[in-house]
Amino acid sequence: DGGITQSPKYLFRKEGQNVTLSCEQNLNHDAMYWYRQDPGQGLRLIYYSQIVNDFQKGDIAEGYSVSREKKESFPLTVTSAQKNPTAFYLCATGLAGVDTQYFGPGTRLTVL
Amino acid sequence: ELKVEQNPLFLSMQEGKNYTIYCNYSTTSDRLYWYRQDPGKSLESLFVLLSNGAVKQEGRLMASLDTKARLSTLHITAAVHDLSATYFCAVDILYSGGGADGLTFGKGTHLIIQP
Repeated sequence: DGGITQSPKYLFRKEGQNVTLSCEQNLNHDAMYWYRQDPGQGLRLIYYSQIVNDFQKGDIAEGYSVSREKKESFPLTVTSAQKNPTAFYLCATGLAGVDTQYFGPGTRLTVL
Repeated sequence: ELKVEQNPLFLSMQEGKNYTIYCNYSTTSDRLYWYRQDPGKSLESLFVLLSNGAVKQEGRLMASLDTKARLSTLHITAAVHDLSATYFCAVDILYSGGGADGLTFGKGTHLIIQP
């Protein structure tokens, strides 16, 4: 069953905590992305990775970190430096020559 | 900085009517994407437009791209309730194909279709 999985679906964080959001794919896509969506807003790019062991900052990378140790996995850590982390986080994948991105089901993060 | 603007941001319409959503972008690009999002859900790809004059149709939805005007439209024909959703357009940031360097999204058009 091919696709993109994100976990957890819902995540609650206390202020000052770091939390890690998981994104796994078995589509064999090279590129992976993290976007953030705030209520009533479009998506904004946090980080992206086109190959293993390499990643680039997007428009709003401050307060976030990522790693890409395996092609299938692209976890996102929301650090305590991110002052307003409550949002819906979407992971996506892409493949050169296939002109669209495919989105996972998302993780809804709430800061308590 | 690439900017993508959609209008309207909110649209309430009756079943059976036609309407058009507009997507303007600020920098030259020939790759534009339309997505649909249902409440609380992820994004579903609708159309990929890859060249000037591209037109694609799926059911009651038709998308077009005018790269000279930096404008894409999503036209809804004889709307039905099932089309109620939020529709986003998105543009390649660095025009490298496949959205490899990430996409820039509009704020979305929240569409409600009433019986």
